[in-house]
Amino acid sequence: EAEVAQSPRYKITEKSQAVAFWCDPISGHATLYWYRQILGQGPELLVQFQDESVVDDSQLPKDRFSAERLKGVDSTLKIQPAELGDSAMYLCASQGSETSYNEQFFGPGTRLTVL
Amino acid sequence: AQSVTQLGSHVSVSEGALVLLRCNYSSSVPPYLFWYVQYPNQGLQLLLKYTTGATLVKGINGFEAEFKKSETSFHLTKPSAHMSDAAEYFCAVSPSGGGYQKVTFGIGTKLQVIP
Repeated sequence: EAEVAQSPRYKITEKSQAVAFWCDPISGHATLYWYRQILGQGPELLVQFQDESVVDDSQLPKDRFSAERLKGVDSTLKIQPAELGDSAMYLCASQGSETSYNEQFFGPGTRLTVL
Repeated sequence: AQSVTQLGSHVSVSEGALVLLRCNYSSSVPPYLFWYVQYPNQGLQLLLKYTTGATLVKGINGFEAEFKKSETSFHLTKPSAHMSDAAEYFCAVSPSGGGYQKVTFGIGTKLQVIP
């Protein structure tokens, strides 16, 4: 069964350090999403890609966060420098087509702890 | 604009008892509605979705939900709780129609099943 892959699963870093997360969507899925999920809350959209183009990054803190999907397949989310408030689960999701009723498939997530 | 309200951040039920998780939505256009389940340190898995047609939707693991437009509700139910149902459940809404519409998630309801 096709799945969304993410790595690492867990990351512990000190504040002011740089961190990067990787996501490989389900093969053939053109749309890729990065979400941040703070403990006790629902996922909040950070950035949405359609192929290699950013469709929505209105909630991405651009002073420290960046995201890329250079070849329209896998994607990297970077934080530099990390802050204590960035501790959260970072989820990647993908969607297959415009007619898929906005159903998204999620990866296992990366849990980030900033010390 | 769209939003989701999940009533009760924590719900406890006895094993074998009815599970009822409440979700009310707000949407300026006809919505698509979703329920996702999240186990600890994992991503979200789709339980069921309402798009069009029949308002009673059946999903995986014996769960179902009913879309009630007059009440703007989409409550999740299961007749008999199992220990394996203990998890966090998220209701989500997106505008209907084609294209890649933004999905908005609720804050989640953590379900505890008591043996």
